Amino acid sequence: QKEVEQNSGPLSVPEGAIASLNCTYSDRGSQSFFWYRQYSGKSPELIMSIYSNGDKEDGRFTAQLNKASQYVSLLIRDSQPSDSATYLCAVSRSSASKIIFGSGTRLSIRP
Amino acid sequence: GAVVSQHPSRVICKSGTSVKIECRSLDFQATTMFWYRQFPKKSLMLMATSNEGSKATYEQGVEKDKFLINHASLTLSTLTVTSAHPEDSSFYICSARSLGGPGGDEQFFGPGTRLTVL
Repeated sequence: QKEVEQNSGPLSVPEGAIASLNCTYSDRGSQSFFWYRQYSGKSPELIMSIYSNGDKEDGRFTAQLNKASQYVSLLIRDSQPSDSATYLCAVSRSSASKIIFGSGTRLSIRP
Repeated sequence: GAVVSQHPSRVICKSGTSVKIECRSLDFQATTMFWYRQFPKKSLMLMATSNEGSKATYEQGVEKDKFLINHASLTLSTLTVTSAHPEDSSFYICSARSLGGPGGDEQFFGPGTRLTVL
């Protein structure tokens, strides 16, 4: 079992709709959770971090964390073509631990 | 804030030569820096973790004598690919993490270095 699992996609969503990206993790001791966006040929860019159960909203992005289910998700509202990218879920046990990345979900927003 | 730079952005070298890549945290002190590589359409692969003033910790399967890492200051880490071969051609990305810095324990990536070995 991979430490951080994501559906590789591609996930195709019409412009203006909500894109929902999911991630599960295996280490119950994980405390920090991150979502990164990576455009083709570029390095990852941090878009959200979440540390406690529930929702965290930042603009069009909402991260959701459920530690009991070992599940973290990212919702993108009003999807735009510029949101087309690979989204990486990342998890760490503590601030002193390395961050474990999932293999990413490729999102495609169709006009 | 939380800007990480990498230099060079792109390098082409001949087989057998060594290449040094620099990673700098520009607006915070990075107690820990990470080096990744990524092949086309593949996921990030962590190569090593470097802590300022101590030896790097390499992931399983990564040759420490081939990929030399130095983290001499809180803002600079270098990766040297020694005796590079065509199979070392890849996208090398560094990241920096600062305890208590911007965002707490978040990790920020440099723009990456594309290495091509002829």
